Amino acid sequence: EAGVVQSPRYKIIEKKQPVAFWCNPISGHNTLYWYLQNLGQGPELLIRYENEEAVDDSQLPKDRFSAERLKGVDSTLKIQPAELGDSAVYLCASSLGFAGELFFGEGSRLTVL
Amino acid sequence: SQQGEEDPQALSIQEGENATMNCSYKTSINNLQWYRQNSGRGLVHLILIRSNEREKHSGRLRVTLDTSKKSSSLLITASRAADTASYFCATDGGEYGNKLVFGAGTILRVKS
Repeated sequence: EAGVVQSPRYKIIEKKQPVAFWCNPISGHNTLYWYLQNLGQGPELLIRYENEEAVDDSQLPKDRFSAERLKGVDSTLKIQPAELGDSAVYLCASSLGFAGELFFGEGSRLTVL
Repeated sequence: SQQGEEDPQALSIQEGENATMNCSYKTSINNLQWYRQNSGRGLVHLILIRSNEREKHSGRLRVTLDTSKKSSSLLITASRAADTASYFCATDGGEYGNKLVFGAGTILRVKS
């Protein structure tokens, strides 16, 4: 069974440029998460989807971050414009329902110069 | 926001020794989970313990939960070099509702 797939694995951009990350969850997992992980810290939730609906986006900085999960499968997280402080790893995870084991992708490491 | 705090922040042991990591949290919980993260990789689920459980085992892993002290411990027995990783506890429930909130993690180094 394929795991959670994320791309790109690494991205280096200049500040004020846009960037997008893509996530393909495990087949059949209706819940999808985007987490932000700063160096030396644990993941922090940005947004959680139940199928196509964003049920928790309270920690998503909506002035520059946006996310979508069309058709309740793949998801895209976008930052526009990127700032220096956005340098971090963006992790996607999926699960069956909201309580239980999360399956994480390898992450997308963003460096903003 | 981070609900759990792991202790110690870093731990270095010899192969074959046992490693114990602790997690303390602030509010009531429904479940507590432990995850492992190898350097540059995603997180991997290790074990889930529910608030009405006190102890769970999985292979060389033993997790305990003390809800009266709002704390959990993860014991890895007979450690191996491949156990070198960061370990995170994560909780849901209480004031965080359905959100799974992670601690800052413990960095474990197992020397061969």
